[in-house]
Amino acid sequence: DVKVTQSSRYLVKRTGEKVFLECVQDMDHENMFWYRQDPGLGLRLIYFSYDVKMKEKGDIPEGYSVSREKKERFSLILESASTNQTSMYLCASSSGVGHPSGYTFGSGTRLTVV
Amino acid sequence: QQQVKQSPQSLIVQKGGISIINCAYENTAFDYFPWYQQFPGKGPALLIAIRPDVSEKKEGRFTISFNKSAKQFSLHIMDSQPGDSATYFCAARGGKLIFGQGTTLQVKP
Repeated sequence: DVKVTQSSRYLVKRTGEKVFLECVQDMDHENMFWYRQDPGLGLRLIYFSYDVKMKEKGDIPEGYSVSREKKERFSLILESASTNQTSMYLCASSSGVGHPSGYTFGSGTRLTVV
Repeated sequence: QQQVKQSPQSLIVQKGGISIINCAYENTAFDYFPWYQQFPGKGPALLIAIRPDVSEKKEGRFTISFNKSAKQFSLHIMDSQPGDSATYFCAARGGKLIFGQGTTLQVKP
């Protein structure tokens, strides 16, 4: 079964900490995405990557950065966590931008910043 | 022009009833419209999808109705079951997927 695996289900971090959220996919997909999910706001795209070492800003990139050193791994970095970054973070991958088979999502990481 | 607007935000339906979730879009260049289903503690998963040259697509109890002229599409869940209780997202493809705000569906026994 194909998978997108997010390393942590729950994280609690302190304000100002540097936070790493890790995502690994085993489908050899070119494209990977980071979303945050908040009630009433749906899924908002933070960053995405079409290829190794490539990244593009999504709709809400402020306060975040990403790293993609290997095809299967896409990391989201909160340089200095703030309470307004408390959210559910979802990683997804696809074999092409808007590929008809859709995106495969991980189970999410619920991050709480205190 | 890149937005997809979804309604209602929440929906309560009795078992056996019909659940209807609506989405509207502005960008006529969108070329693929999927729906995703998300259960608590899980990521969204593709449920059903439609292309704009088709007015309706049915898979089991789930049907997408598509109105290209109105730039609207909707998900109908027939004979709704408690196991359908989940959050549903519509989306539209304009290069990458753009998601609606989500609808939390509760089906009461």
